[in-house]
Amino acid sequence: SYVLTQPPSVSVAPGKTARITCGGNNIGSKGVVWYQQTPGQAPVLVIYYDSDRPSGIPERFSGSKSGNTATLTISRVEAGDEADYYCQVWESSSDHWVFGGGTKLTVL
Amino acid sequence: QVQLQESGPGLVKPSETLSLTCTVSGGYISPHYWSWIRQPPGKGLEWIGYIYNSGNTNYNSSLKSRVTISVDTSKNQFSLNLSSVTAADTAVYYCARAEAGVMGYFNWGQGTLVTVSS
Repeated sequence: SYVLTQPPSVSVAPGKTARITCGGNNIGSKGVVWYQQTPGQAPVLVIYYDSDRPSGIPERFSGSKSGNTATLTISRVEAGDEADYYCQVWESSSDHWVFGGGTKLTVL
Repeated sequence: QVQLQESGPGLVKPSETLSLTCTVSGGYISPHYWSWIRQPPGKGLEWIGYIYNSGNTNYNSSLKSRVTISVDTSKNQFSLNLSSVTAADTAVYYCARAEAGVMGYFNWGQGTLVTVSS
């Protein structure tokens, strides 16, 4: 089965840039989605189609891909960005959706 | 904007069947992909399965033998049945609709906690 690999945790100081990676075989051919989740809440969409941002999400959030890795970049990190972040793809060979294991972003 | 609301028992006994319903408002069941996703306490998200176009289903391989997803178009609802549950099935269960195609994103319900305990 298809696996997406995320680092369990990323720490960053306020005002700096956070980069959260999501690794997967041939991820370049898949549309990557990123969600932000705070405790007790449902996930909130922050990036879809690799790099598109839904309305209401700050421009500080951006997505990219290179090789077998997708990256969520959060610029000028704020305390309110502290959350768990999950990547997601559609695996066409099995018609399954797959989530990464999640990354806890800590703002120092 | 379509809205989804999960409902069902918050406590299920081991070996019994977990049954949840998702009520859809602001849109019709067909023709969309409707999924169930769960999240054990303190853990990550796990996709359970989908139903599409009121009949086609596909399930996570790890749960396939115990999962059934069905739809009631007359009530604009879809449901999850998970049989032979154990404590490992304790989780927040979300219903969701895939938006912008299968390579798009999920529109989520608020989630409901189901605890498996005697």
